[in-house]
Amino acid sequence: AQSVTQPDIHITVSEGASLELRCNYSYGATPYLFWYVQSPGQGLQLLLKYFSGDTLVQGIKGFEAEFKRSQSSFNLRKPSVHWSDAAEYFCAVGLLTGAGNKLTFGGGTRVLVKP
Amino acid sequence: NAGVTQTPKFRVLKTGQSMTLLCAQDMNHEYMYWYRQDPGMGLRLIHYSVGEGTTAKGEVPDGYNVSRLKKQNFLLGLESAAPSQTSVYFCASSSNRGTLFGQYFGPGTRLTVT
Repeated sequence: AQSVTQPDIHITVSEGASLELRCNYSYGATPYLFWYVQSPGQGLQLLLKYFSGDTLVQGIKGFEAEFKRSQSSFNLRKPSVHWSDAAEYFCAVGLLTGAGNKLTFGGGTRVLVKP
Repeated sequence: NAGVTQTPKFRVLKTGQSMTLLCAQDMNHEYMYWYRQDPGMGLRLIHYSVGEGTTAKGEVPDGYNVSRLKKQNFLLGLESAAPSQTSVYFCASSSNRGTLFGQYFGPGTRLTVT
């Protein structure tokens, strides 16, 4: 069964600094990978996704992520953080089967932004 | 286009009471899902549906039942609520066309069982 690990529970970053969130996955085949963001009291919003092809994917809100097969990682980055980026971020691996489109989520990383 | 909506937003139940959470989507998606979110555990899949009239168990189905009588609606039922079911519940939907498009989430229902 697939699994997703987000090693950092909390990250604090200064506004304007760069941000990198780690995600490691365990899956026997080529994974479908996602990053979601959850603002306080809100549902999850899809930031970006990787299916195949270029290993560097661009998403919304200035985020990007890089798929590294050799490291089983899909880390999320943003060059310059804004105060509005304070949220919880979830990495997920997807499995498409005849029984549906199922996601397994990591435990999340909460990002705090200092002024 | 409202996307995915959930009713109610908040609810407090006593142990042993029952309730139904309603999820509705207006994107004509085939697949719908119910998750629960607990601190430090991400989202865990409770039940899901690949189409009208079909449902299947996810990772943590015990204590919950679901129904998908209409394509746009997916109901989650708690027949006899327990404090362990205190959680935030999210509904999601996705398309079944081609590769994974990712799931679209509702705003959540915060449930407290006392």
